[in-house]
Amino acid sequence: DGGITQSPKYLFRKEGQNVTLSCEQNLNHDAMYWYRQDPGQGLRLIYYSQIVNDFQKGDIAEGYSVSREKKESFPLTVTSAQKNPTAFYLCASRVQGARTDTQYFGPGTRLTVL
Amino acid sequence: GDSVTQMEGPVTLSEEAFLTINCTYTATGYPSLFWYVQYPGEGLQLLLKATKADDKGSNKGFEATYRKETTSFHLEKGSVQVSDSAVYFCALTIRNTGNQFYFGTGTSLTVIP
Repeated sequence: DGGITQSPKYLFRKEGQNVTLSCEQNLNHDAMYWYRQDPGQGLRLIYYSQIVNDFQKGDIAEGYSVSREKKESFPLTVTSAQKNPTAFYLCASRVQGARTDTQYFGPGTRLTVL
Repeated sequence: GDSVTQMEGPVTLSEEAFLTINCTYTATGYPSLFWYVQYPGEGLQLLLKATKADDKGSNKGFEATYRKETTSFHLEKGSVQVSDSAVYFCALTIRNTGNQFYFGTGTSLTVIP
């Protein structure tokens, strides 16, 4: 099955520790995205990547870092500089073509910092 | 800039009631419009989309028509079910620019038996 996987589904970390969230896609999409969702709120863009070895900051990039070494993978690191990291994190990939431009989402990772 | 404004919730309906969730947009170019649905604890799933004016997207009994004259993309369903309880997000992107997707804040729907 083609799709986007995020692991783990739940993640607990102590305050001050860095943590890396995994996102993998086998859809052969060039573009990938990370969003943060807080309870009762919409999505806020953290980082996105349109192509391998290139990425751009979104609206709330401070305290986060990413890499894009492979087309299939776009891991997100939540660093100790992120002041309030507890949230639901969503990864997405995007297909763009002459007749289509759609974003597809993974199942999400819920991060709780204790 | 590009943005989406959608009706605030929460919305509570009885089963078999008619649903409308309003969505309006502002766009600097030619937008494609989307509705996504999010069930508790899950990611967003694409519900339907429309890529040009007067297009109607439809899926699972839900419909939305891209209205350029009113810059709207309202979501409708004639008869909701308990299983439709979820959060619904309206979104847009400007076609063929590689720009971001812009999401509304989401509308929570609860359908009671």
